[in-house]
This record gives sequence, C-alpha cells and structure tokens, in this order.
Amino acid sequence: EPEVTQTPSHQVTQMGQEVILRCVPISNHLYFYWYRQILGQKVEFLVSFYNNEISEKSEIFDDQFSVERPDGSNFTLKIRSTKLEDSAMYFCASSDPSPGTGGKEQYFGPGTRLTVT
Amino acid sequence: AQKITQTQPGMFVQEKEAVTLDCTYDTSDQSYGLFWYKQPSSGEMIFLIYQGSYDEQNATEGRYSLNFQKARKSANLVISASQLGDSAMYFCAMREARGFKTIFGAGTRLFVKA
Repeated sequence: EPEVTQTPSHQVTQMGQEVILRCVPISNHLYFYWYRQILGQKVEFLVSFYNNEISEKSEIFDDQFSVERPDGSNFTLKIRSTKLEDSAMYFCASSDPSPGTGGKEQYFGPGTRLTVT
Repeated sequence: AQKITQTQPGMFVQEKEAVTLDCTYDTSDQSYGLFWYKQPSSGEMIFLIYQGSYDEQNATEGRYSLNFQKARKSANLVISASQLGDSAMYFCAMREARGFKTIFGAGTRLFVKA
C-alpha cells in the first residue's frame, strides 16, 4: 500500500541553525501539507501546497518557514533559524482530490521529531 | 471560526466493551468533513473514519462508527468490541470544503483494560 515517507525520523539541531525536513508524498497525490505537534499537545496545521504554490497557511507559518517541491517526488519544510519552541513532531501529509475519494482523506507520514537545543 | 472540542482527556474501557469518544465542532460553513485519527504511542497518525456534512448515513468502518448529529454539531466516535491494541490517543478533526487545512481537537487518550 502506498505511503507517505519522511526523513529523518529524528533531527537534533542547535538554536539558530537551519533545518530541512523531507517528505515523499504518495505519488499520484496533488495536495501536500505540513502539520506540527508539540509534545503532549494537539496537531496544528502549518501549510498546504498545491500546484507549486502555497494554498493556505496558518499564523504559525511565519517568515522563518518555507516549503518547496524541488522535484517530482520530494516536498520539504525548511526552518531558517530554529528556536527552542520549534521542538515538535512535524508531520507531512498528502491527499488525492480525485472524484473517487473527494479529497477526503489526508494520509500522514510517520513524522520527524525535531529537537532544538 | 472553526473549532473542535474533545472534552474527555482520558477514557478507560474494558476489553470487548464499546466506548464512545465525544467530539463537538463549530463552523459557519455548510460543507465540511469530519475525521477521526488514532495516534498510538509510536506517534504516527492513522486515519480511521470520515463523515461528510451532507452524508445522511452515519459513517462506519469495521469496528468504528461515527455518530453524527448535525444539529448538535457533534461527531462522536464509537468503537465496538474494544481491543488492547485500541489503547491510543484519538483525535477528532474537521476540514471545511472550501479550505485546505484540517484542524484538530486536543485528543482523548483511551486506555483499554484486560
């Protein structure tokens, strides 16, 4: 069964450093998303991406964050200068808006745990 | 503004019994989708069930069913015949049809006792 993959599974970085989290969405999906979950808290939407541009973003997604689809398979989230409060699990998701599914379901990757020290 | 409320931080259920996890939502849109996800201790998010706002029948997926009461804006998850493997965090979520983001509730941690 196709699945969303994410690398690395765990990333440790120092405050102020740049990090890039990588995702490979399901191959025929067209909509891509990033969410984050601070430990013990709820999942929060960051950004959605369609047709090579951001379609929606939350107030969390400030200028420190950017997303890119550098090739036909990868979808990345970059945090330019990490802060302690960026420590969280970051989930990538993708969805297929075909008539059969109606774009109902977002398939989540296993997540990347980011620890900022 | 969209909002999802899960009022039960933790629930206990005896193995093989049924359990209901509560979820209420708020939206001004007429067209939206409601979801439930399971998050085991390993951390991944597993899609369980979906209910569209215009669906007349309650959604069912195996042992999961969604008790959708539109007028009350509630979308409770019912798990029948609980199993030990059902112990996990459960999140209710909503996406408006005209938007892309899914918003999540705070979650309910379910403990299944042997």
